Amino acid sequence: GQQVQQSPTSLVLQEGENAELQCNFSTSLNSMQWFYQRPGGSLISVFYNPSGTKQSGRLTSTTVIKERRSSLHISSSQITDSGTYLCAMERSSGSWQLIFGSGTQLTVMP
Amino acid sequence: NSKVIQTPRYLVKGQGQKAKMRCIPEKGHPVVFWYQQNKNNEFKFLINFQNQEVLQQIDMTEKRFSAECPSNSPCSLEIQSSEAGDSALYLCASSLLQGDSGNTLYFGEGSRLIVV
Repeated sequence: GQQVQQSPTSLVLQEGENAELQCNFSTSLNSMQWFYQRPGGSLISVFYNPSGTKQSGRLTSTTVIKERRSSLHISSSQITDSGTYLCAMERSSGSWQLIFGSGTQLTVMP
Repeated sequence: NSKVIQTPRYLVKGQGQKAKMRCIPEKGHPVVFWYQQNKNNEFKFLINFQNQEVLQQIDMTEKRFSAECPSNSPCSLEIQSSEAGDSALYLCASSLLQGDSGNTLYFGEGSRLIVV
């Protein structure tokens, strides 16, 4: 089965609403990252967050290692937030390989 | 903003043809990764290098791909004989891999391969 499961698969919001994206891991993880990707665009690292809570502007990420989950919260969403958000876990220390979830497609409407 | 540079952005190859993609990692990043992203958003790790040495690669890469990261030259990933199933976005990423935020991967914009 999939080692990294993201939910929801897609999300449509009105501008100004908040978004909560979830990532669950079926195995223990060493670290994880959240990425953002526009259609046809490159992956941009949003957070490197192996544990705890990190905030950057309107984005907040919380990773709870022992519960094998991570979340990405977007407050006061804007149209430019639209795109695909992917979480990726690094397996055991030293593997250096990321295992990606299938992504959440976020659409923010005016 | 990432400074990983990938070329070409697009390439179209016939089945059986070679397909070669290049990547210049961010300056000072010793570790380079190649991933394949298919149309379903599924990512597959292909290979990674530390400096010029291969660290890890999957079976498919070992059998069908040729990859290198020579010093003072771009890294490259070449499919020896393209198959229809190879059509995908090939992403190169680099990293410092020196703990905490140093493990962040910085991706290029990818090379989109279409095999006809």
